[in-house]
Amino acid sequence: EAEVAQSPRYKITEKSQAVAFWCDPISGHATLYWYRQILGQGPELLVQFQDESVVDDSQLPKDRFSAERLKGVDSTLKIQPAELGDSAMYLCASSLLAGVRTGELFFGEGSRLTVL
Amino acid sequence: AQTVTQSQPEMSVQEAETVTLSCTYDTSESDYYLFWYKQPPSRQMILVIRQEAYKQQNATENRFSVNFQKAAKSFSLKISDSQLGDAAMYFCAYRSDSNSGYALNFGKGTSLLVTP
Repeated sequence: EAEVAQSPRYKITEKSQAVAFWCDPISGHATLYWYRQILGQGPELLVQFQDESVVDDSQLPKDRFSAERLKGVDSTLKIQPAELGDSAMYLCASSLLAGVRTGELFFGEGSRLTVL
Repeated sequence: AQTVTQSQPEMSVQEAETVTLSCTYDTSESDYYLFWYKQPPSRQMILVIRQEAYKQQNATENRFSVNFQKAAKSFSLKISDSQLGDAAMYFCAYRSDSNSGYALNFGKGTSLLVTP
């Protein structure tokens, strides 16, 4: 069964360092989402792509976070510099096409970031 | 933005018994979708059940069913014949049908413990 792939699964870094997370969505899925999930909370949307275009990045802290999906397939989320408050699980999800009535998102296992 | 509220941080149920998880949401829209997602420990989030707001009939998926009360903006999940494998975080999520993003807006989650 096709899955959303994410790496690394775990990342420990010191504050002020740069970190990057990678996501490969299910083949053929045009829409890709990055969510941040702080421990004990629900996921919060950081950025959404439709193919290679950003649809919504209103909650992305653009002074330190950046995201790209250059060829409309896999995606990278970068944080530079990392801060203590960035410690969280970063979830990637994909869907066939935004707005399709089923609306199901398929999630990866996430990348857990710890900032020391 | 639409608010999704899960008022039960933690619930417990005995194996083979029935449990109901609560969810309320705030919206001014008439067309939308509601979802329950399950997040097992250290595993990816998976869809449990979805409900289209325009459908009056409550959705069911095997042992999982919902009680959708549109006027009350309530969307509870009932798990019948609970199994040990049902232990997980459960997230209620809302998806607008009227904006270009169609991203899911999640509640804070309910941790379900299943005891033998």
